[in-house]
Amino acid sequence: QKEVEQNSGPLSVPEGAIASLNCTYSDRGSQSFFWYRQYSGKSPELIMSIYSNGDKEDGRFTAQLNKASQYVSLLIRDSQPSDSATYLCAVNMGSARQLTFGSGTQLTVLP
Amino acid sequence: EAEVAQSPRYKITEKSQAVAFWCDPISGHATLYWYRQILGQGPELLVQFQDESVVDDSQLPKDRFSAERLKGVDSTLKIQPAELGDSAMYLCASSLDFQETQYFGPGTRLLVL
Repeated sequence: QKEVEQNSGPLSVPEGAIASLNCTYSDRGSQSFFWYRQYSGKSPELIMSIYSNGDKEDGRFTAQLNKASQYVSLLIRDSQPSDSATYLCAVNMGSARQLTFGSGTQLTVLP
Repeated sequence: EAEVAQSPRYKITEKSQAVAFWCDPISGHATLYWYRQILGQGPELLVQFQDESVVDDSQLPKDRFSAERLKGVDSTLKIQPAELGDSAMYLCASSLDFQETQYFGPGTRLLVL
């Protein structure tokens, strides 16, 4: 079992729709959670960080965290074609609190 | 805006040759990370430095890989000899301190022929 699991996709949504990306993690003691966006051939770019249960909003992006369920999600409202990328969930976990990444979910926003 | 710098951006080499990658973290960032990302997977940590000290190199294949950060600023990752399976993106990241948010450089894409 992978430590950080994401649906690999691809996930396709029409322009203007809400895209929902999900992530589960295995270490119940994890405290820090991150979403990175990665365009093809580029490096990961930080979108959101979240540390407390509940929602955190930043523009069109909302991160949701439920530590009891070991679940973190990213919602993208009013999706744009420029949002088409791979979204990586990352969790600080383990005794060394290393940043562990999921394999990413590939999102395509259709014009 | 401060950025992590990496060079070269692309490297093509033949197997058994030596390659080296360089990273300059964001100024003032004490923690530096080297990751390897294989196509279709998330980045995997190779080595982590706190200032000039290695704090985690448990996933670094030490028979062929080495990393240093002699003055606690920039860092070099070396592979000798390169193997076909080393073809990947090598990413450097830095953070203000341990467990703080990590910021990635543009990466070095390595192709071993």
